[in-house]
Amino acid sequence: EDQVTQSPEALRLQEGESSSLNCSYTVSGLRGLFWYRQDPGKGPEFLFTLYSAGEEKEKERLKATLTKKESFLHITAPKPEDSATYLCAVQAGGSRLTFGEGTQLTVNP
Amino acid sequence: DTEVTQTPKHLVMGMTNKKSLKCEQHMGHRAMYWYKQKAKKPPELMFVYSYEKLSINESVPSRFSPECPNSSLLNLHLHALQPEDSALYLCASSQEGTPSTDTQYFGPGTRLTVL
Repeated sequence: EDQVTQSPEALRLQEGESSSLNCSYTVSGLRGLFWYRQDPGKGPEFLFTLYSAGEEKEKERLKATLTKKESFLHITAPKPEDSATYLCAVQAGGSRLTFGEGTQLTVNP
Repeated sequence: DTEVTQTPKHLVMGMTNKKSLKCEQHMGHRAMYWYKQKAKKPPELMFVYSYEKLSINESVPSRFSPECPNSSLLNLHLHALQPEDSALYLCASSQEGTPSTDTQYFGPGTRLTVL
């Protein structure tokens, strides 16, 4: 059975304080690992798709990396508007996504 | 453009009502999904349509009835719901086919309250 564990559950940062979110996964035949950002009461917003170990992708202050066992979402010099819940999901065979529980990030000014 | 639209944004219904949620995408995607999300939990898959045919039903109660009239539209018909069905209902779509196109794009959701 595919499993995804995200840590920490919640993270509070000061504006400008860089940090990383972790997504550990167990899956047979990874097709893709996805990062989404979700604001309260809204749908998840797609951030990145990673397909193979060693792959890295960047977007503004965010950088996602992938190994054979985990993925990291690095946030550099975060701003209050980066506050959200960050969801990690994996896809093996077929179209089903297995989500982690999410990391709730709060960035204080 | 990676937009999925959902209507209505909010819906309040009684347990005897019949209502429908609507989802639309114009990205040419061939797979569409319904998810249910409770507060502080990740989305839970309900149904998947692939090329307008139901391909996955995650043992969802029959009071939820999906419909895919065409490749751009997805409906979720609701009847005789229970208060515990109150949640954010999310629609998503994906290109389907190869790994590089399997990213699911989500709509803004419909906040459903069952009284």
